[in-house]
Amino acid sequence: EAGVTQFPSHSVIEKGQTVTLRCDPISGHDNLYWYRRVMGKEIKFLLHFVKESKQDESGMPNNRFLAERTGGTYSTLKVQPAELEDSGVYFCASSHGLAGDGYNEQFFGPGTRLTVL
Amino acid sequence: GESVGLHLPTLSVQEGDNSIINCAYSNSASDYFIWYKQESGKGPQFIIDIRSNMDKRQGQRVTVLLNKTVKHLSLQIAATQPGDSAVYFCAEFSGGGADGLTFGKGTHLIIQP
Repeated sequence: EAGVTQFPSHSVIEKGQTVTLRCDPISGHDNLYWYRRVMGKEIKFLLHFVKESKQDESGMPNNRFLAERTGGTYSTLKVQPAELEDSGVYFCASSHGLAGDGYNEQFFGPGTRLTVL
Repeated sequence: GESVGLHLPTLSVQEGDNSIINCAYSNSASDYFIWYKQESGKGPQFIIDIRSNMDKRQGQRVTVLLNKTVKHLSLQIAATQPGDSAVYFCAEFSGGGADGLTFGKGTHLIIQP
C-alpha cells in the first residue's frame, strides 16, 4: 500500500510569489491533515479535512494560506503571496475513521521543504 | 533533507545502551499520547501510542510511560541501535472534534558507536 505522498519535495521561491503544495493521502483515508514545522520549532497543526470539507482550520496562520480538497482525494495548500516567515517544512498526514470518533493513527508524508527568499 | 538537531535538545547514548527520552505535555484533557520518530528527509513515523487511562505500554524494544500527575511522558528504547538515530517527537491528541495533534519540540537522539 502506498503511503502519503507530497509534491514537490523542495520549493525555493521569492517573497511575493505563489506556491502550491500537493498531498496525496493513503487511498481510502477520509481524514487529511496539514502541518508545518518552521526551523527550530515544533510541528504545528494547520488544518483538517474530512473528505472535501474543512473540519478544523484553527491552525491556519492567515488568509495568505488556502487549502482545498476538491473531490475528497488529494489536497493542495497554496501560499499567496509567500513571505519569508513561511519558510519551513510542510507535512501532510492522513488517517481513516470518522471525525469525532476518537483517535486514529495519522500517517505522515515526507514533507515539502519551502524556502522563501 | 530537513536539518535535524538545530535548536533541539540532544541525547547522546552508546550503541547497545538504553535510551530514555522525556516529554512534558500541556493539556491534562488529552486522550492519547503518541511518540513519533523523524529521520532526516522523511516525515514523522509512528512508534507507539498510549491512552490516557494507561500508565505503561510496551512495544518491540520500546516502552512508553505516562505520568498524568506531573504531565510527563517518556519513551524508553532498549538496546539502542545506529538506526535509532533520529529526532523523536511526542504528540497529544485531545479529540472532541479537534483531531489535529499537538507536538512537543523534539529530542535529537545520537547513537555513539
